[in-house]
Amino acid sequence: EPEVTQTPSHQVTQMGQEVILRCVPISNHLYFYWYRQILGQKVEFLVSFYNNEISEKSEIFDDQFSVERPDGSNFTLKIRSTKLEDSAMYFCASRPGTSYNEQFFGPGTRLTVL
Amino acid sequence: QQQVKQSPQSLIVQKGGISIINCAYENTAFDYFPWYQQFPGKGPALLIAIRPDVSEKKEGRFTISFNKSAKQFSLHIMDSQPGDSATYFCAARPSGNTGKLIFGQGTTLQVKP
Repeated sequence: EPEVTQTPSHQVTQMGQEVILRCVPISNHLYFYWYRQILGQKVEFLVSFYNNEISEKSEIFDDQFSVERPDGSNFTLKIRSTKLEDSAMYFCASRPGTSYNEQFFGPGTRLTVL
Repeated sequence: QQQVKQSPQSLIVQKGGISIINCAYENTAFDYFPWYQQFPGKGPALLIAIRPDVSEKKEGRFTISFNKSAKQFSLHIMDSQPGDSATYFCAARPSGNTGKLIFGQGTTLQVKP
C-alpha cells in the first residue's frame, strides 16, 4: 500500500542552524501539507502546497520557513535559522485531489533544537 | 477564529466498554470532520470522517455523531479493546480548496484489559 515517507526520523541541530526535512508524498497526489506537533500538544497546520506553489500558510509559517518540491517526488520543509521553540514532530501529508478528502500522513520527523 | 476544542484530555475505559470523545467547533464554515488515530511514534491515520449534512456515521465499532446546530461532534468506540489504546484527534476542514485541517487537542485513550 502506498505511503508517505519522511526522512530523517530524528534530526538534532544547534540553534541558529538550517535544517531541511524531507518527504516523499504518495505518487500522483496533488496536495501537500506540513504540520507540526509540539510534544504533548495538538497537531498544527503549517502550510499547504498545490500546483508548485503555497496555497495557504499559518501564522507559524514565517519567513524562517520555506517549502519546495524540487522534483516530481520530494517535498521539503526548510527552517533557515532554527529556534528552541521549533523543536517538535513535523508531519508531511498528501491528498490525491480536490474531490478526495483524506489526507495521508507520514510517520514524522522529530526535530530537536539544542 | 477557527478552533476545535476536544475533551476529555485523557480517558480510561475497561475492555468491552464504550469510549466517548467530544469535540466542539467555533466556525460554521467547516465542510468535513475527520477523526484521526495516532499510535506512539507514528503519524495520525484517518479513522472515520463525516460531512455536516449527515448526523451519524458508523464504521464497525466506531461511530461519529454530529450535531450541526450545537456545533458538536463526538466519537463513540463500542466494545473498546486494548488495541484501541492510542491518541485520538478530531479535526475540521474549513471550506475551500486548500484542504488544511484544524485539529483538536487530542485525547489519550487507555483501554484496560
